Amino acid sequence: QQPVQSPQAVILREGEDAVINCSSSKALYSVHWYRQKHGEAPVFLMILLKGGEQKGHDKISASFNEKKQQSSLYLTASQLSYSGTYFCGTEIQGAQKLVFGQGTRLTINP
Amino acid sequence: DSGVTQTPKHLITATGQRVTLRCSPRSGDLSVYWYQQSLDQGLQFLIQYYNGEERAKGNILERFSAQQFPDLHSELNLSSLELGDSALYFCASSPTGGEIIPETQYFGPGTRLLVL
Repeated sequence: QQPVQSPQAVILREGEDAVINCSSSKALYSVHWYRQKHGEAPVFLMILLKGGEQKGHDKISASFNEKKQQSSLYLTASQLSYSGTYFCGTEIQGAQKLVFGQGTRLTINP
Repeated sequence: DSGVTQTPKHLITATGQRVTLRCSPRSGDLSVYWYQQSLDQGLQFLIQYYNGEERAKGNILERFSAQQFPDLHSELNLSSLELGDSALYFCASSPTGGEIIPETQYFGPGTRLLVL
């Protein structure tokens, strides 16, 4: 039931864009995105609910494709501060449980 | 700083021992969630309390238990510790109405447990 995140790791230069995907084999009710910097606690980014939402703030946005049971996190014009591990948490319909993916490590170099 | 505090920051103990991890939620938050993060299992939900009552259970072992006190702080008790229990343990609190899946939750800094 654990969602699959891809890629596992990505290295970018400052200013480049990144896309992180989160896929589930089950029908999802919601997808939650978190960022965790090394040695720190996860920080909530956003939640997307079924219905094909798109959300965003600043240069970080996400979409939820209900048909594909997939969510994508978009980071545009990446900044050094975007470095960290990004986790998606998925709520399967009817399960009332949040299950996290293994994370995508994003490294932004100057 | 999320406003959620956890003590201790680090804990080193031996197999077979018992430890207690403490969490104080953000002021006004009634829900507390406990998570375990390890290299092989990733981030896993353990248990949720809302206003003193157990609300939801995740992948929590029988050797582990938790409770939430009237002042809303929570404790996670881990007993008969095994090497595989070594992990980061986070608690999070949420300002919403006790939903099992909160819209927003704020994580504490975590307690790093090492079982030798």
